[in-house]
Amino acid sequence: GQQVMQIPQYQHVQEGEDFTTYCNSSTTLSNIQWYKQRPGGHPVFLIQLVKSGEVKKQKRLTFQFGEAKKNSSLHITATQTTDVGTYFCADVSNFGNEKLTFGTGTRLTIIP
Amino acid sequence: KAGVTQTPRYLIKTRGQQVTLSCSPISGHRSVSWYQQTPGQGLQFLFEYFSETQRNKGNFPGRFSGRQFSNSRSEMNVSTLELGDSALYLCASSTGRSPGEQYFGPGTRLTVT
Repeated sequence: GQQVMQIPQYQHVQEGEDFTTYCNSSTTLSNIQWYKQRPGGHPVFLIQLVKSGEVKKQKRLTFQFGEAKKNSSLHITATQTTDVGTYFCADVSNFGNEKLTFGTGTRLTIIP
Repeated sequence: KAGVTQTPRYLIKTRGQQVTLSCSPISGHRSVSWYQQTPGQGLQFLFEYFSETQRNKGNFPGRFSGRQFSNSRSEMNVSTLELGDSALYLCASSTGRSPGEQYFGPGTRLTVT
């Protein structure tokens, strides 16, 4: 079956440094969604990418969808303590159902 | 608008028992999905209901079942609990128009002893 891997599994950064997590799939992705889960919390939707090569920005966050739709990335510029959490990518089917295949996640911790 | 609610928030059960978890979606949302989250396996899709019909199912044994009511509320049942069923069970609601943003509830933490 489809496997969606994320690297790195863990990332510790100094506050103010940049952070990037990469999402790679064994099969072509339909659409990519990104979620953030704070410690002890639940996943919260960040963004959705649907087109090959698409790039979207949300303030300090930049999301990218690969040209071949087999990978995606999330880059955070100048991290802040509020960025702490686990970031998940998820492939979401385009065929009339809501199944999400989640990536393995990247846990980000910030060193103040 | 009120968010997705799940009850109970915490549950402790004994191996072999059964359990029912409840999820109330955001008003107007017709799709409810269930996920299991564990440290070892991550977030795994269980099933999705839309307008009282199961639209998709993940790779879980038949001990895991669900249903959706006419008001879109959903329940999930696990029978003959095993130690490995200990997990955070999350439900998510959406409008049902794919691909759509999923709104997750706070989850039910199930511990099987």
